[in-house]
Amino acid sequence: GDSVTQMEGPVTLSEEAFLTINCTYTATGYPSLFWYVQYPGEGLQLLLKATKADDKGSNKGFEATYRKETTSFHLEKGSVQVSDSAVYFCALLSGDSSYKLIFGSGTRLLVRP
Amino acid sequence: NAGVTQTPKFQVLKTGQSMTLQCAQDMNHNSMYWYRQDPGMGLRLIYYSASEGTTDKGEVPNGYNVSRLNKREFSLRLESAAPSQTSVYFCASSEDSNEQFFGPGTRLTVL
Repeated sequence: GDSVTQMEGPVTLSEEAFLTINCTYTATGYPSLFWYVQYPGEGLQLLLKATKADDKGSNKGFEATYRKETTSFHLEKGSVQVSDSAVYFCALLSGDSSYKLIFGSGTRLLVRP
Repeated sequence: NAGVTQTPKFQVLKTGQSMTLQCAQDMNHNSMYWYRQDPGMGLRLIYYSASEGTTDKGEVPNGYNVSRLNKREFSLRLESAAPSQTSVYFCASSEDSNEQFFGPGTRLTVL
């Protein structure tokens, strides 16, 4: 079945460092891909998405490119801030009619001043 | 718009007790979902409702029941709570294949 694999955390960075969080997926067909972010004590919020191969999703300085050849959707940011500290989830939308999201296990990011 | 709301925010139950988690959305979305979040396991789908009047099992449905009361509301019931059901529960809604919007969650502890 469809699945998403994320790098394990926590990831600890200093402010202004470069961030990469790896995400790979297994799916039949061509799913839509998402990154969600969860700040402490809150629900999940959509960070960015890409719906087809080679699409680049971007928001708040974060970017991710849908790579069909490597089945990957890695999250990147050039200069992280303390306020980016959160848990990041990679997800894919199932290809059937249920519109179910399949999530990775999440990666906790801690940015130190 | 309030988006997706959930009640209660916190709940402590004893083993064997029952309770219902409530969820409502004001975005006129067709689809609604219940997830549980456990450490190191991401979110797992319990049940979903693709439209009013329909419900289907997700990945981890055992021990739960759901009701899609109307287009706005989707409740999750634990008939006989077990310690393994200690988790954070999230409700979400979406319009077909678009973004899912999540509620703030219910933190449930079963003793």
